[in-house]
Amino acid sequence: DGGITQSPKYLFRKEGQNVTLSCEQNLNHDAMYWYRQDPGQGLRLIYYSQIVNDFQKGDIAEGYSVSREKKESFPLTVTSAQKNPTAFYLCASSIQGARVGNQPQHFGDGTRLSIL
Amino acid sequence: RKEVEQDPGPFNVPEGATVAFNCTYSNSASQSFFWYRQDCRKEPKLLMSVYSSGNEDGRFTAQLNRASQYISLLIRDSKLSDSATYLCVVNKGGGADGLTFGKGTHLIIQP
Repeated sequence: DGGITQSPKYLFRKEGQNVTLSCEQNLNHDAMYWYRQDPGQGLRLIYYSQIVNDFQKGDIAEGYSVSREKKESFPLTVTSAQKNPTAFYLCASSIQGARVGNQPQHFGDGTRLSIL
Repeated sequence: RKEVEQDPGPFNVPEGATVAFNCTYSNSASQSFFWYRQDCRKEPKLLMSVYSSGNEDGRFTAQLNRASQYISLLIRDSKLSDSATYLCVVNKGGGADGLTFGKGTHLIIQP
């Protein structure tokens, strides 16, 4: 079955630690995205990538980093510089459109990150 | 005006009823519109894209009004399983990249 796999489902981080969230897709999609969702809030874009070895900052990139070494994989690192990392993190992918956002995005089932 | 605005609800609706809700968007250059469904503590799932001429998928009908900058979702013969949060999603448009997600409308179908 084609889809997007995020791991782990739940992640706990001590203050001052970096953590990396995994996102893998086998949909052969070119574009991948990372969002965070806070309670009662809409999704906010952290980073996106339209092609391997290229990525762009979204609306709230500070304190996060990404890499796109393979088409299938788009890991997100939450660094110690992110002051409020507790959130629900969602990875998505889509086929390539003329502009990012022209095509519907399909989501993984998310990672819940909490600070200990 | 917020980029994408939705009534958060909750909308409490009896099973079998018809329910409709709107979403307004601020950027007249937006070209792509979607409705997503999100169950509690789950990921959003694409419900349907919204086309200029309006479109229907079973019990669900989506419409776009460009002049007034809103999209709507109508659900007929509502089922208990329709209970969820419905997210209005609009592309930024005007050369900017990305999608803007509304905060969602919470729908509760009651038996």
